[in-house]
Amino acid sequence: ETGVTQTPRHLVMGMTNKKSLKCEQHLGHNAMYWYKQSAKKPLELMFVYNFKEQTENNSVPSRFSPECPNSSHLFLHLHTLQPEDSALYLCASSFGQGNQPQHFGDGTRLSIL
Amino acid sequence: RKEVEQDPGPFNVPEGATVAFNCTYSNSASQSFFWYRQDCRKEPKLLMSVYSSGNEDGRFTAQLNRASQYISLLIRDSKLSDSATYLCVVTGGGFKTIFGAGTRLFVKA
Repeated sequence: ETGVTQTPRHLVMGMTNKKSLKCEQHLGHNAMYWYKQSAKKPLELMFVYNFKEQTENNSVPSRFSPECPNSSHLFLHLHTLQPEDSALYLCASSFGQGNQPQHFGDGTRLSIL
Repeated sequence: RKEVEQDPGPFNVPEGATVAFNCTYSNSASQSFFWYRQDCRKEPKLLMSVYSSGNEDGRFTAQLNRASQYISLLIRDSKLSDSATYLCVVTGGGFKTIFGAGTRLFVKA
């Protein structure tokens, strides 16, 4: 299924590096989401964009910087991350105003050295 | 109290068994409810939405009880392929989405 595509699939970076995660959706959805999934913890909503406008920021540290140039593309810029930021980062998209099912990408597995 | 709580797992059942999962939520203003499944090292995938009247999709039945603030998922005639983690998802106002921690299901031959 290629409805929501995330790149890269795996990323290893040092704490001083700068990298970006990319998400693209081909479903015509208006909303896009970033989630963090750490081992043995529930998915945590990080950011939501609706028609390119940020609508949710769940107290995410500033070392994570989202960017949404249009309704089909979403980026997560990473800078000066900590070892505890190692996790699976999932992108999702949906129709509507938050009450519709979300479709997820495969995720980027991030490891911070 | 967690906003969304699920049955602790894992559930180990034989093929053909019926298994039920419960999920409770704390915000009475919650609006939409879903069950997702997540296979090991994969992304969550929508299993079914949950409606007040209850809904069924093949072997799967979901129920919502707004008064008691819980939702349930019933799986009949379990298959080996049903082995996964089942995630309860609740949305509030706007785009706020809360996932439960998930319940692991193992179906054995």
